[in-house]
Amino acid sequence: NAGVTQTPKFQVLKTGQSMTLQCAQDMNHEYMSWYRQDPGMGLRLIHYSVGAGITDQGEVPNGYNVSRSTTEDFPLRLLSAAPSQTSVYFCASSHRQGGLGNQPQHFGDGTRLSIL
Amino acid sequence: DQQVKQNSPSLSVQEGRISILNCDYTNSMFDYFLWYKKYPAEGPTFLISISSIKDKNEDGRFTVFLNKSAKHLSLHIVPSQPGDSAVYFCAASSIRRGSTLGRLYFGRGTQLTVWP
Repeated sequence: NAGVTQTPKFQVLKTGQSMTLQCAQDMNHEYMSWYRQDPGMGLRLIHYSVGAGITDQGEVPNGYNVSRSTTEDFPLRLLSAAPSQTSVYFCASSHRQGGLGNQPQHFGDGTRLSIL
Repeated sequence: DQQVKQNSPSLSVQEGRISILNCDYTNSMFDYFLWYKKYPAEGPTFLISISSIKDKNEDGRFTVFLNKSAKHLSLHIVPSQPGDSAVYFCAASSIRRGSTLGRLYFGRGTQLTVWP
C-alpha cells in the first residue's frame, strides 16, 4: 500500500523554468490538495480538488496550475519558476468529508524545490 | 490573517513528564480539529482529531481538549518520550454542508523536544 507518492523528492530549477510536481494516491480518495511549507509559516494550501475534473484555489495559488483528470493523480505545475517558490511541497489526499466523519488527510513525503 | 494560531514555536520537556501544546482559532465555522506530527524529511502524519460536539478525545498517551467558548484546543502527551520529538501542527476545517469540505487550515507548528 503506497499511500501518497510524490515525485521528484528534490529538484533545482533556474528562474523562468517550468516543471510539474507529480502526486499519485492509491487509496481511491476523492479529495486531493497541494500545500507548501516555508520556515515559520506552517502549511499553506495552494490548490485542491474534490474529485476528478474539479479543482479550486487555496490561499496561495498564484504561479501554480493544477488539473485532475483521474482520481489517482493530481499534478502541480509551476508555470515560470521564481525564487519565491523555493519551498517544500506536500500533496495530501483523503476521502471526501461529510457529516461528522473522521477523514484525516494523508500526506506524501514532500518535494524539496529550489529556484535559483 | 491566520485563522489557526500556534503561538509557541518551541517546547522542551523532560522525558516522562507531560507535554502540552496549544492552539487557538478564530473562525467559528470550524467544527473539526486535528493534530499532525511531522519528522524532518517526512510528510505530516495524522495523530488525533476531535469534532466540535466533544470536548475531549483520548488515544493512548495523546489527549486533545477543545474549549469552544475560548476557541482553544490543546494536545496533551503523557508521558512524553524522546521519540515524540517532532513538529506538531494544529489544523482545523469545517465539515458543515455548504462549506468547503475537507479544506484544512494549519497553524505554524510547534517544535517539541523531549530530552532524557
